[in-house]
Amino acid sequence: GAGVSQSPSNKVTEKGKDVELRCDPISGHTALYWYRQSLGQGLEFLIYFQGNSAPDKSGLPSDRFSAERTGGSVSTLTIQRTQQEDSAVYLCASSLGWQDYGYTFGSGTRLTVV
Amino acid sequence: GESVGLHLPTLSVQEGDNSIINCAYSNSASDYFIWYKQESGKGPQFIIDIRSNMDKRQGQRVTVLLNKTVKHLSLQIAATQPGDSAVYFCAENMPDRGSTLGRLYFGRGTQLTVWP
Repeated sequence: GAGVSQSPSNKVTEKGKDVELRCDPISGHTALYWYRQSLGQGLEFLIYFQGNSAPDKSGLPSDRFSAERTGGSVSTLTIQRTQQEDSAVYLCASSLGWQDYGYTFGSGTRLTVV
Repeated sequence: GESVGLHLPTLSVQEGDNSIINCAYSNSASDYFIWYKQESGKGPQFIIDIRSNMDKRQGQRVTVLLNKTVKHLSLQIAATQPGDSAVYFCAENMPDRGSTLGRLYFGRGTQLTVWP
């Protein structure tokens, strides 16, 4: 597609429920990144996929967070047993690949845990 | 390091003035730097980049300056306009961080507000 698409744009969920956030990267981009942005704060790295390599999961805050990328394209970030501190905007970005730093970001999913 | 858990610094300027946004980066081995602009409700957008073999690079109304001696990066916006109001992030690569070769490390961000 023309840009990075994320869905849903907004999600309100009850504490303890599981949520899935979707990212559809730009066609042909082999690298995909997830970041989290809490209100008024900076970008916190979560996970990074590059082609068929094992993902860099070093930023995932707990084992309640996981992500997968199917067929080298669409990615899903799953948060299990959501907590109020998980409330944030979850941003996805993609790039052409290894050491290409020209990230294109999606508009994010605003997650609110009540 | 990464920008987690800290509130953003702010900069307020009047329309037409020049703005300077500063960033201190952390790794002397970083060789590529980018400035991103994030408007409210949107994802960050690329503004301008610079490689470590350069000291200055100019774009349209924006200039990035790199001082490797003190690990400092700045973004200058000429004749600032209300549409420039946004959060600005600097980012660096860190080629000596093993498996994280391919990703950027983002700074805290600065909230720029332009008053008419």
